[in-house]
Amino acid sequence: NAGVTQTPKFRILKIGQSMTLQCTQDMNHNYMYWYRQDPGMGLKLIYYSVGAGITDKGEVPNGYNVSRSTTEDFPLRLELAAPSQTSVYFCASSYGAGGPNEQYFGPGTRLTVT
Amino acid sequence: AQSVSQHNHHVILSEAASLELGCNYSYGGTVNLFWYVQYPGQHLQLLLKYFSGDPLVKGIKGFEAEFIKSKFSFNLRKPSVQWSDTAEYFCAVNVAYSGAGSYQLTFGKGTKLSVIP
Repeated sequence: NAGVTQTPKFRILKIGQSMTLQCTQDMNHNYMYWYRQDPGMGLKLIYYSVGAGITDKGEVPNGYNVSRSTTEDFPLRLELAAPSQTSVYFCASSYGAGGPNEQYFGPGTRLTVT
Repeated sequence: AQSVSQHNHHVILSEAASLELGCNYSYGGTVNLFWYVQYPGQHLQLLLKYFSGDPLVKGIKGFEAEFIKSKFSFNLRKPSVQWSDTAEYFCAVNVAYSGAGSYQLTFGKGTKLSVIP
C-alpha cells in the first residue's frame, strides 16, 4: 500500500491564482481530512469527509473548498489564493467505523503565496 | 470545544538524558489520546495512542505515555533519548462520542525536541 499520497510536494502561487491540492488513499478508509500546519501553531483542521459525497467544515475552512466523489480521493481547492494561505497542507485518512482509529498522514504540500 | 496544551515549545537535551513532554487537554468527558512525531521534512507518524484500559501505554522507539484522568494529562516519556529522536512532537485528542464529528483530532501546538550528541 502507498498509504496517503499528496501532489504536488511544493507549489508557489501568485495572489489571486487558484489551485487544487490532490490527496489519494489506498487503504479503503471512510474518513479523510485536510489540515494546515503553520510554525508554532500545530495542525488545524480545514475540512473533513466521512464518506463519498459527504463533507463538512473544520476549524479554518474559509478560502477553501473540497469535494469527495470517491472513497479514495479528497482534493482541496484554493480559490483566489492569499498570502495567509502560505502553509504546509497535510491530508490524512482513518477507518472511522466501529470506534476511534488513528489517522494516517500524507507527506504534505508546501504552498507559498506571493 | 476541546483544547490541547503542550507546555514546552522547545526542549534541548543531551543524548541519554530522560525526556518528559507535557500535554493537557480541556475536555471533561471520555477522550482518545494520541502522540504523533514529525521528523524533519517528514509527515506525521503515530507514536502511541490511548483509547481505554491500562493508562500507561507503550509506543514505538521506546516511548511511553501515561494518562492521568484526574489531571487531564497525557505526558510523553522516554528514559534515554537519542540524537535520532530530534523531531517535533504533537499531542492530539478526540472526543469519544458517536457522530460524524467524533473522529476529528484537536492538536497541540507541538514541542520541538533537539537532542545534542
